[in-house]
Amino acid sequence: EAGVTQFPSHSVIEKGQTVTLRCDPISGHDNLYWYRRVMGKEIKFLLHFVKESKQDESGMPNNRFLAERTGGTYSTLKVQPAELEDSGVYFCASSQDGVGRAGQETQYFGPGTRLLVL
Amino acid sequence: AQSVTQPDIHITVSEGASLELRCNYSYGATPYLFWYVQSPGQGLQLLLKYFSGDTLVQGIKGFEAEFKRSQSSFNLRKPSVHWSDAAEYFCAVGARFSGGYNKLIFGAGTRLAVHP
Repeated sequence: EAGVTQFPSHSVIEKGQTVTLRCDPISGHDNLYWYRRVMGKEIKFLLHFVKESKQDESGMPNNRFLAERTGGTYSTLKVQPAELEDSGVYFCASSQDGVGRAGQETQYFGPGTRLLVL
Repeated sequence: AQSVTQPDIHITVSEGASLELRCNYSYGATPYLFWYVQSPGQGLQLLLKYFSGDTLVQGIKGFEAEFKRSQSSFNLRKPSVHWSDAAEYFCAVGARFSGGYNKLIFGAGTRLAVHP
């Protein structure tokens, strides 16, 4: 079974440009999460999808970030326009509903996309 | 506020030595606790998790962790470290919401180096 995949693995862009990150969750996983780690600090939650619906986007830094999950499968995270402080590693994770009690499901992480904004 | 503290940013141990990575959490209810490991070029891999019951939890790769409610701690241990254990380790608490989903709050990570 394929794990969570993310594309690209690395992206280097200039300030003001647009970047789109993609995440393909494990097949059958309804929950999809985005996290970000900036400058070696904590990994922080950005948002959570259940199927195609956004359940919680409280961690999104500002309106330059737009996440979508069309059809409840893969997800994209677009940063437009990118700023220097957006540099970091963006992780995607997915989990399966209905495993154990609510909140006990394991989140499976992808390798991350390393974004550098110059 | 919910938070996780990993006091050690870097730890170096000799191969074959024992290991303990510290984790303290702040959470208002019974915590769901996790340890993840990230090897170079890889995603985060779950080592073990604690929800309830026995406070000593066994995980993969020979790791274990002990939940101590009185100390708000969930330290990770391994009796004998292998060179392949060199990686970054993350402790996390699951912040649960009425919808039942789980938002992970991570510590800053501990980078482990292993000397031959």
